[in-house]
Parts: sequence; C-alpha cells; structure tokens
Amino acid sequence: AQKITQTQPGMFVQEKEAVTLDCTYDTSDPSYGLFWYKQPSSGEMIFLIYQGSYDQQNATEGRYSLNFQKARKSANLVISASQLGDSAMYFCAMRRNYGGSQGNLIFGKGTKLSVKP
Amino acid sequence: KAGVTQTPRYLIKTRGQQVTLSCSPISGHRSVSWYQQTPGQGLQFLFEYFSETQRNKGNFPGRFSGRQFSNSRSEMNVSTLELGDSALYLCASSRQAGTDPHEQYFGPGTRLTVT
Repeated sequence: AQKITQTQPGMFVQEKEAVTLDCTYDTSDPSYGLFWYKQPSSGEMIFLIYQGSYDQQNATEGRYSLNFQKARKSANLVISASQLGDSAMYFCAMRRNYGGSQGNLIFGKGTKLSVKP
Repeated sequence: KAGVTQTPRYLIKTRGQQVTLSCSPISGHRSVSWYQQTPGQGLQFLFEYFSETQRNKGNFPGRFSGRQFSNSRSEMNVSTLELGDSALYLCASSRQAGTDPHEQYFGPGTRLTVT
C-alpha cells in the first residue's frame, strides 16, 4: 500500500531564509508521481511542484525545489527566500502511474509552516 | 478563465439528515475528483468521475455517493449524516482522467458541520 509520511507537524522560518519540509513515501509501484500542495487558511489546495519517479533531475518551480532521493524514498520540499505569504499548510502527496492512467492522490498529514517577519 | 467552484461554501446539518454538495469544474475539464479533509484522518480520496462514469472509489461507506452530469458538473451526496462526517470536502478537476498533474485544480472546498 502507498503511504506518505510528513514528520514535522509545524515549522518556523525567518523571512528571507530557506526552509526544508520533509516527506518520505512508501510504495511498491515502479512508476509514480510526487506532489507538493500549499493550503492557505482559505482551504484551497494550490499545486506547487511535481516529480516523476523516473525523472533524472530534481524538479524546480520558481522558489520551490524538490529534493528527490529515490533510494531513500524521500521527496523534500525546499522553499528559498521565504515570504510572509508562504505561511500555510503544506502537503506532500503521491499518485501511482499505471498503464496510461494515474490513480488518486494519497496525502501526508501536512506541515504547518509559519514565516516570521 | 473561471476556476473550480464549489457550492455551498459552508453548511450546517443535523445528524441523520442528508446533504448534497456541488462542484463545477473548469470549462473543458471532464474529470472531477472528491476528497474529504478532517483533522484526524487528513485528506482522503472519495471518488473520481470522468465522462459521467465513476472511475475510481476510495474506502468510504455506501452513505457517500456521487454522480457527474453531461456538462461535467458533479455532485456528492452523504446520507444519514454522522458527527464524523464534519469535514472540508474538496473537489478537483482535470481535463481528462489521469492527466498531467499540472492540470489538476482544486476548488475552495465546502465546509460541512454536522451537529
């Protein structure tokens, strides 16, 4: 069975500093995708970044990068130059890829990030 | 273009009642997925619809059901509400089932409170 583990319930970071949010996963599927979402207090899930299991390079999207270590089954999110607007819940998620289609998202419990001015 | 819309945004119901939540996907999107978010269980997948057909279902009791209409709008229904059904219900739409993850967009959610 697939499982996502986020061990940090809450994190604090100083504005303009970088922060790493941890995510480990467990799956027996050979092909899968890893996602990070941001959920502000408004409730909407905002897609941040995606890493495919066969991607050779770590994904980057602006200030977000994903530190993918396949052998260790980890997919940590790095946010550079934190901003006050980054304060939110962050969820790591996984989805299996099989055949030509993809399964549903499996989410971790989330990490609440607070950015201090 | 307009994003995913969910109605109502907030809802208060009594135990034993039933409720229907609505999700309108982004124009041109044909796949709709539903998720339940609670403090205790986190985010859990309910079901996915594509072209009016349920394509995938999570591990929820039969009290939870859904459907999709020909215009891709989707509804989910919960019958005989229990206190534990209090949650944020999120809908996500994508152009087709199992598509590029960049194309899956979430709505703002419906917050259901059961008293």
